[in-house]
Amino acid sequence: DTGVSQDPRHKITKRGQNVTFRCDPISEHNRLYWYRQTLGQGPEFLTYFQNEAQLEKSRLLSDRFSAERPKGSFSTLEIQRTEQGDSAMYLCASSRLSRVGELFFGEGSRLTVL
Amino acid sequence: KNEVEQSPQNLTAQEGEFITINCSYSVGISALHWLQQHPGGGIVSLFMLSSGKKKHGRLIATINIQEKHSSLHITASHPRDSAVYICAVESNFGNEKLTFGTGTRLTIIP
Repeated sequence: DTGVSQDPRHKITKRGQNVTFRCDPISEHNRLYWYRQTLGQGPEFLTYFQNEAQLEKSRLLSDRFSAERPKGSFSTLEIQRTEQGDSAMYLCASSRLSRVGELFFGEGSRLTVL
Repeated sequence: KNEVEQSPQNLTAQEGEFITINCSYSVGISALHWLQQHPGGGIVSLFMLSSGKKKHGRLIATINIQEKHSSLHITASHPRDSAVYICAVESNFGNEKLTFGTGTRLTIIP
């Protein structure tokens, strides 16, 4: 399977714990995006990378959120000291073109904070 | 006011009906995307367009840049078309990220 893969697909955690999500984009896609989607809403932009460089980070993202793409391939999104409001689907997408072009999405990682 | 507005929010139709979903946006854009999201979260890109009209099978997407409006049409709708359809715009400010609408939930009844 050469699509965008995300892991884990589901994560249930207690408030205050740290969680980390991983995204493996389509190989040779130099753009990688993280979005967050809550029930009944469209995805909201969190951050994106071109290769290993993080080019933009949403104002929605508090200091508890950090994302990395150390080698320009896979990316991780870490949430520290989780809060119930962090419960959402975290979506990763990648694209090959220099502009957004066609995005390919992963299946998402659903986070539930108890 | 959201930058991207979709209507209707929910749409239920009988199999075979012609479907129209609308998207209006308030910012200058370089491209508009139509996406399909099935239960469970998977999102598939349907169209990316910056002018005119595109067609793929039973799906047609149009955009009017002057009116800041796009429509997605489905001809001869089928129950497997049931999904959430999301409009997303790429602004022309060069920040190269998408702003999404809240989606239209389409249900096609056999």
